[in-house]
Amino acid sequence: EAGVTQFPSHSVIEKGQTVTLRCDPISGHDNLYWYRRVMGKEIKFLLHFVKESKQDESGMPNNRFLAERTGGTYSTLKVQPAELEDSGVYFCASSQVIGSGGHEQYFGPGTRLTVT
Amino acid sequence: KNEVEQSPQNLTAQEGEFITINCSYSVGISALHWLQQHPGGGIVSLFMLSSGKKKHGRLIATINIQEKHSSLHITASHPRDSAVYICAVRYKAAGNKLTFGGGTRVLVKP
Repeated sequence: EAGVTQFPSHSVIEKGQTVTLRCDPISGHDNLYWYRRVMGKEIKFLLHFVKESKQDESGMPNNRFLAERTGGTYSTLKVQPAELEDSGVYFCASSQVIGSGGHEQYFGPGTRLTVT
Repeated sequence: KNEVEQSPQNLTAQEGEFITINCSYSVGISALHWLQQHPGGGIVSLFMLSSGKKKHGRLIATINIQEKHSSLHITASHPRDSAVYICAVRYKAAGNKLTFGGGTRVLVKP
């Protein structure tokens, strides 16, 4: 079974441009999460989808970030317009509730975003 | 101040040594995760635990709920254990999202 995949693996854009990151979760996983690590900091939560609905978007930094998960399958995270401080590694994770223990999250390889 | 504190930030060991990484958190949790990231690699889940102790190969994870503390031990360390180890918790009041520690960079020298 394929794991969580992310595209692209690396993106370099100029300040003010738009970038769209994509995440394909493990098939059948209803829960999809976006996280971000900026340079020198710990990984931080951005948002959580359950199927196509946003369950929690408390970590989204501002309205330049837009996440979608049409049809409850893959998700996109768009940054428009990008700023220098958006540089970092964006991770996607997915999970499927398993009994009462629940919530093992499987991570994708990440997308390294560099804004110049 | 981060809600999940890891120590040490960096650790260098000789091959064969026993390694311990510590993680402290602030309030009640549903689960605690230990994750591993090799240089240039993705994040791999090592353990998810909510009580007691788990073992997988040379790795052992323990958690003390009363003290809000967890440890990850690596026995008979090997250079291939060199990686960043990350503690992350799912706080009961925070739904499914994970709150991460800053990570511990481990280097095991041959």
